[in-house]
Amino acid sequence: QKEVEQNSGPLSVPEGAIASLNCTYSDRGSQSFFWYRQYSGKSPELIMSIYSNGDKEDGRFTAQLNKASQYVSLLIRDSQPSDSATYLCAGGGSNYKLTFGKGTLLTVNP
Amino acid sequence: GAVVSQHPSRVICKSGTSVKIECRSLDFQATTMFWYRQFPKQSLMLMATSNEGSKATYEQGVEKDKFLINHASLTLSTLTVTSAHPEDSSFYICSATTSGADTDTQYFGPGTRLTVL
Repeated sequence: QKEVEQNSGPLSVPEGAIASLNCTYSDRGSQSFFWYRQYSGKSPELIMSIYSNGDKEDGRFTAQLNKASQYVSLLIRDSQPSDSATYLCAGGGSNYKLTFGKGTLLTVNP
Repeated sequence: GAVVSQHPSRVICKSGTSVKIECRSLDFQATTMFWYRQFPKQSLMLMATSNEGSKATYEQGVEKDKFLINHASLTLSTLTVTSAHPEDSSFYICSATTSGADTDTQYFGPGTRLTVL
Protein backbone atom coordinates (compact mmCIF):
# COMPACT_ATOMS: atom_id res chain seq x y z
CA GLN A 1 0.00 0.00 0.00
CA LYS A 2 1.59 3.23 -1.15
CA GLU A 3 1.28 5.93 1.48
CA VAL A 4 2.08 9.59 1.77
CA GLU A 5 2.08 10.99 5.27
CA GLN A 6 1.96 14.67 6.12
CA ASN A 7 2.32 16.40 9.46
CA SER A 8 -1.31 16.73 10.34
CA GLY A 9 -1.25 20.27 11.63
CA PRO A 10 -2.93 22.59 11.74
CA LEU A 11 0.09 24.83 11.40
CA SER A 12 -0.11 28.46 12.39
CA VAL A 13 2.61 31.01 11.66
CA PRO A 14 2.77 34.80 11.89
CA GLU A 15 2.88 36.89 8.76
CA GLY A 16 6.42 37.18 7.41
CA ALA A 17 7.63 33.95 9.03
CA ILE A 18 8.79 30.77 7.30
CA ALA A 19 6.22 27.99 7.11
CA SER A 20 7.63 24.47 6.93
CA LEU A 21 5.49 21.63 5.63
CA ASN A 22 6.72 18.05 5.72
CA CYS A 23 5.84 14.83 4.00
CA THR A 24 7.14 11.26 3.98
CA TYR A 25 6.36 8.55 1.48
CA SER A 26 6.53 4.78 1.51
CA ASP A 27 7.01 3.94 -2.17
CA ARG A 28 10.71 3.94 -2.97
CA GLY A 29 9.80 3.65 -6.62
CA SER A 30 8.25 7.11 -6.70
CA GLN A 31 10.26 9.44 -8.90
CA SER A 32 8.14 12.58 -8.85
CA PHE A 33 6.65 14.64 -6.09
CA PHE A 34 4.24 17.50 -6.04
CA TRP A 35 2.93 20.16 -3.72
CA TYR A 36 -0.58 21.45 -4.28
CA ARG A 37 -2.39 24.23 -2.48
CA GLN A 38 -6.12 23.94 -1.90
CA TYR A 39 -8.20 26.83 -0.65
CA SER A 40 -11.40 25.96 1.17
CA GLY A 41 -14.11 24.99 -1.30
CA LYS A 42 -11.75 25.08 -4.26
CA SER A 43 -9.80 22.50 -6.23
CA PRO A 44 -6.05 21.88 -5.81
CA GLU A 45 -3.61 24.20 -7.50
CA LEU A 46 -0.09 23.06 -8.42
CA ILE A 47 2.67 24.92 -6.59
CA MET A 48 5.80 22.88 -7.20
CA SER A 49 7.01 19.65 -8.70
CA ILE A 50 10.33 18.08 -7.79
CA TYR A 51 12.06 15.08 -9.27
CA SER A 52 15.69 15.21 -8.08
CA ASN A 53 17.31 15.18 -4.68
CA GLY A 54 18.01 18.61 -3.30
CA ASP A 55 16.25 21.92 -3.34
CA LYS A 56 14.09 23.57 -5.95
CA GLU A 57 13.15 27.19 -5.54
CA ASP A 58 10.34 29.15 -7.13
CA GLY A 59 9.79 32.59 -5.72
CA ARG A 60 8.91 32.31 -2.04
CA PHE A 61 8.55 28.54 -2.27
CA THR A 62 11.32 25.96 -1.88
CA ALA A 63 10.71 22.25 -2.25
CA GLN A 64 13.23 19.82 -0.84
CA LEU A 65 13.54 16.14 -1.72
CA ASN A 66 15.59 13.49 0.02
CA LYS A 67 15.01 10.14 -1.62
CA ALA A 68 17.24 8.25 0.81
CA SER A 69 15.07 9.41 3.70
CA GLN A 70 11.88 9.32 1.60
CA TYR A 71 11.16 12.85 2.67
CA VAL A 72 9.74 15.86 0.89
CA SER A 73 9.23 19.30 2.32
CA LEU A 74 7.92 22.69 1.29
CA LEU A 75 9.18 25.94 2.76
CA ILE A 76 7.22 29.13 2.32
CA ARG A 77 9.25 32.23 3.03
CA ASP A 78 7.74 35.56 4.02
CA SER A 79 4.38 33.89 4.61
CA GLN A 80 1.33 35.95 3.73
CA PRO A 81 -2.27 35.63 4.92
CA SER A 82 -3.13 34.66 1.34
CA ASP A 83 -0.98 31.54 1.82
CA SER A 84 -3.52 30.25 4.33
CA ALA A 85 -4.80 27.03 2.78
CA THR A 86 -4.46 23.26 2.92
CA TYR A 87 -1.25 22.01 1.36
CA LEU A 88 -1.29 18.59 -0.26
CA CYS A 89 1.81 16.51 -0.84
CA ALA A 90 1.62 13.90 -3.61
CA GLY A 91 3.90 11.21 -4.95
CA GLY A 92 3.83 9.97 -8.51
CA GLY A 93 3.39 6.33 -9.38
CA SER A 94 2.54 4.06 -12.25
CA ASN A 95 0.09 5.13 -14.95
CA TYR A 96 0.60 8.76 -13.91
CA LYS A 97 -1.46 8.23 -10.75
CA LEU A 98 -0.69 10.34 -7.73
CA THR A 99 -0.90 9.28 -4.10
CA PHE A 100 -1.97 12.21 -1.96
CA GLY A 101 -1.38 12.90 1.69
CA LYS A 102 -4.27 14.07 3.81
CA GLY A 103 -3.03 17.63 3.73
CA THR A 104 -1.77 20.16 6.23
CA LEU A 105 -3.88 23.20 7.06
CA LEU A 106 -1.73 26.32 7.22
CA THR A 107 -2.94 29.55 8.78
CA VAL A 108 -0.87 32.70 8.43
CA ASN A 109 -1.85 35.25 11.03
CA PRO A 110 -1.62 38.97 10.15
CA GLY B 1 -0.98 26.97 -20.12
CA ALA B 2 -2.38 23.67 -18.82
CA VAL B 3 -5.88 24.91 -18.12
CA VAL B 4 -8.62 22.46 -17.24
CA SER B 5 -12.28 23.41 -17.11
CA GLN B 6 -15.28 21.64 -15.65
CA HIS B 7 -18.96 22.10 -16.26
CA PRO B 8 -21.20 22.61 -14.43
CA SER B 9 -19.54 24.14 -11.39
CA ARG B 10 -22.52 23.38 -9.21
CA VAL B 11 -25.55 21.14 -9.65
CA ILE B 12 -28.52 20.32 -7.49
CA CYS B 13 -30.67 17.40 -8.49
CA LYS B 14 -33.38 15.14 -7.16
CA SER B 15 -32.64 11.65 -5.94
CA GLY B 16 -32.81 9.09 -8.77
CA THR B 17 -31.75 11.41 -11.56
CA SER B 18 -28.50 11.23 -13.52
CA VAL B 19 -25.96 14.01 -13.68
CA LYS B 20 -23.25 14.49 -16.29
CA ILE B 21 -20.07 16.42 -15.53
CA GLU B 22 -17.71 17.51 -18.29
CA CYS B 23 -13.97 17.96 -17.97
CA ARG B 24 -12.04 19.71 -20.72
CA SER B 25 -8.38 20.46 -21.27
CA LEU B 26 -8.43 23.87 -22.92
CA ASP B 27 -4.92 24.40 -24.20
CA PHE B 28 -3.38 20.95 -24.36
CA GLN B 29 -4.18 17.40 -25.29
CA ALA B 30 -4.74 15.29 -22.24
CA THR B 31 -3.51 11.74 -22.66
CA THR B 32 -4.93 10.78 -19.30
CA MET B 33 -7.64 12.28 -17.15
CA PHE B 34 -8.53 11.44 -13.59
CA TRP B 35 -11.72 11.78 -11.58
CA TYR B 36 -11.62 12.46 -7.86
CA ARG B 37 -14.22 12.90 -5.17
CA GLN B 38 -13.73 14.92 -2.03
CA PHE B 39 -16.01 14.97 0.98
CA PRO B 40 -15.89 17.92 3.42
CA LYS B 41 -12.65 18.13 5.39
CA GLN B 42 -11.31 14.98 3.76
CA SER B 43 -8.56 14.42 1.24
CA LEU B 44 -8.97 13.67 -2.42
CA MET B 45 -10.15 10.19 -3.30
CA LEU B 46 -9.27 8.90 -6.74
CA MET B 47 -12.27 7.33 -8.41
CA ALA B 48 -10.98 6.38 -11.82
CA THR B 49 -8.34 6.89 -14.49
CA SER B 50 -9.52 7.69 -17.97
CA ASN B 51 -7.54 7.27 -21.17
CA GLU B 52 -8.77 8.53 -24.51
CA GLY B 53 -10.44 5.83 -26.54
CA SER B 54 -10.32 3.12 -23.92
CA LYS B 55 -12.32 2.01 -20.92
CA ALA B 56 -11.73 3.78 -17.65
CA THR B 57 -9.90 2.04 -14.84
CA TYR B 58 -11.82 2.28 -11.59
CA GLU B 59 -10.36 2.26 -8.12
CA GLN B 60 -11.37 -0.44 -5.70
CA GLY B 61 -14.79 0.19 -4.23
CA VAL B 62 -15.97 2.56 -6.96
CA GLU B 63 -19.01 1.25 -8.82
CA LYS B 64 -18.33 1.49 -12.54
CA ASP B 65 -22.00 1.09 -13.42
CA LYS B 66 -22.92 4.02 -11.21
CA PHE B 67 -20.10 6.34 -12.23
CA LEU B 68 -19.91 6.16 -16.00
CA ILE B 69 -16.80 7.67 -17.56
CA ASN B 70 -16.35 8.45 -21.23
CA HIS B 71 -13.14 9.85 -22.69
CA ALA B 72 -14.12 10.44 -26.29
CA SER B 73 -11.33 12.80 -27.28
CA LEU B 74 -7.97 14.08 -26.09
CA THR B 75 -9.63 17.15 -24.64
CA LEU B 76 -12.86 15.86 -23.14
CA SER B 77 -13.82 13.37 -20.47
CA THR B 78 -17.27 13.05 -18.91
CA LEU B 79 -18.43 11.56 -15.64
CA THR B 80 -22.07 10.57 -15.34
CA VAL B 81 -23.45 9.86 -11.90
CA THR B 82 -26.38 7.57 -12.57
CA SER B 83 -29.38 7.33 -10.27
CA ALA B 84 -27.83 9.78 -7.86
CA HIS B 85 -28.65 9.54 -4.17
CA PRO B 86 -27.95 11.94 -1.29
CA GLU B 87 -24.82 10.00 -0.33
CA ASP B 88 -23.37 10.87 -3.75
CA SER B 89 -23.38 14.54 -2.78
CA SER B 90 -19.75 15.58 -2.93
CA PHE B 91 -17.16 17.74 -4.66
CA TYR B 92 -16.11 16.05 -7.91
CA ILE B 93 -12.82 17.16 -9.41
CA CYS B 94 -11.12 16.11 -12.60
CA SER B 95 -7.47 16.43 -13.50
CA ALA B 96 -5.51 15.97 -16.68
CA THR B 97 -1.96 15.16 -17.60
CA THR B 98 -0.07 16.48 -20.60
CA SER B 99 2.34 14.65 -22.84
CA GLY B 100 6.02 15.47 -22.86
CA ALA B 101 8.47 16.05 -20.07
CA ASP B 102 5.90 16.61 -17.33
CA THR B 103 3.60 13.75 -18.21
CA ASP B 104 2.86 12.94 -14.61
CA THR B 105 1.97 16.46 -13.55
CA GLN B 106 -1.76 16.66 -12.94
CA TYR B 107 -3.62 19.89 -13.55
CA PHE B 108 -6.94 20.14 -11.81
CA GLY B 109 -10.22 21.51 -12.98
CA PRO B 110 -12.17 23.85 -10.70
CA GLY B 111 -14.48 21.09 -9.49
CA THR B 112 -18.21 20.40 -9.55
CA ARG B 113 -20.21 20.52 -6.37
CA LEU B 114 -23.06 18.00 -6.54
CA THR B 115 -25.96 18.14 -4.14
CA VAL B 116 -28.56 15.39 -4.35
CA LEU B 117 -31.81 16.14 -2.57
